[in-house]
Formats: sequence, C-alpha cells, structure tokens
Amino acid sequence: GESVGLHLPTLSVQEGDNSIINCAYSNSASDYFIWYKQESGKGPQFIIDIRSNMDKRQGQRVTVLLNKTVKHLSLQIAATQPGDSAVYFCAENKGNQGGKLIFGQGTELSVKP
Amino acid sequence: ETGVTQTPRHLVMGMTNKKSLKCEQHLGHNAMYWYKQSAKKPLELMFVYNFKEQTENNSVPSRFSPECPNSSHLFLHLHTLQPEDSALYLCASSQPQGSSEAFFGQGTRLTVV
Repeated sequence: GESVGLHLPTLSVQEGDNSIINCAYSNSASDYFIWYKQESGKGPQFIIDIRSNMDKRQGQRVTVLLNKTVKHLSLQIAATQPGDSAVYFCAENKGNQGGKLIFGQGTELSVKP
Repeated sequence: ETGVTQTPRHLVMGMTNKKSLKCEQHLGHNAMYWYKQSAKKPLELMFVYNFKEQTENNSVPSRFSPECPNSSHLFLHLHTLQPEDSALYLCASSQPQGSSEAFFGQGTRLTVV
C-alpha cells in the first residue's frame, strides 16, 4: 500500500555542519511532497514543499531534493543550528487536497553545540 | 502561533468518561482535519471536513465522533476510550484544493487510564 518512510530514526550533527535527512516513498503517482518540523510539545510546522515536476527547491537554509526514479526525497539543512533540533517528517499529499497527508516515521535531529 | 488553536492541551480521562477536544482556526480555511500521533508511529489521518461536511473517515472507531459546526471550529467527541487511544491528537486546517499548505495546532495530549 501507500507509505512514506524515513531511513533513519535519529541523526546527530555538530553545530555549523550540514544535515541531510532522507525519506523514501512508495506511491509513484504522488505529485506533491512536504517536509515538516515538529519541536517538542508543538504541532508539525511546514518547512518546504516540492511538486513532482521539480527535482530541487531551495528555501532559507533548506533544500529539498526529489528523485522520482528511485522515489527518494531528502531535506538538506545548511549550517545546522541548535534551534533546528526537532523531529522532521516527510509527507505525501493524498488525494489532491492540501491537508490530506501521509506521513513518514520521522527523524529526530539533535544538534551538538 | 499557527492560527490553529486546540484545547485542552492535556487531558486525562477514564475509560467510562465522555470528553471533547476542540479546535479553532482563524485562517479563513474551508477544510479541517483530525490526526492521531502515537508514540513511535507516523501521524495518521482520522477525519476530513470540507465546507463543514465530512468527506473522509479513515476507519476510525465509533468511540471517536467528530463534529464541525462551521468552517472555523472542529470537535472530537470521545467516549468509552481504551488505553491504546492515548496519543497526541492534532487538528489541522487548509484550503481544500491541492498544494494548499496545512497548518497544525499544538495538539491535545490525551491519556486514557
């Protein structure tokens, strides 16, 4: 069935380094993907999204890469800061509606000072 | 502050109790959603409402009963829950069309004893 998953449950990086968080999805018909950040005690917060007709999109310190050939999505965070510590989820838009999302398992990012 | 407010933030209830979770959005959106987030599991979509009408129920047990009196308010009525229903319940809103960013509330942490 449809699923969106992440490769690693935890990731620890040094402050200032770049972080790469990966996600694999199974539904080749998906056309919209989103990365969310969830800090402790808070709901998921939108970071960046990408449509399937793109392979790269950049935001402020973040870049999302989409490889449709191998159904792989990644989030790159440049110059990781302590405030980036959180759980990161990739999500797939289900049924062409903004809030109907299939979430992956999540990767917990820890930033060491 | 995401524009989506959930109350209460924490709730402890017995298996014979009846309680309700409330969600309110001030974003002018016409779609609202309930998600469940259990420990170590991805967010799971429970219910979808578009223009106050329920359009999706993802096989949620009847002990969870949603209500959407208007486009700004969403409730989740709870009765005779089980301990395995303990989780973080998240409300989200968006515009109904695809690629519309979904905004999440901070969630209600529910513990069933």
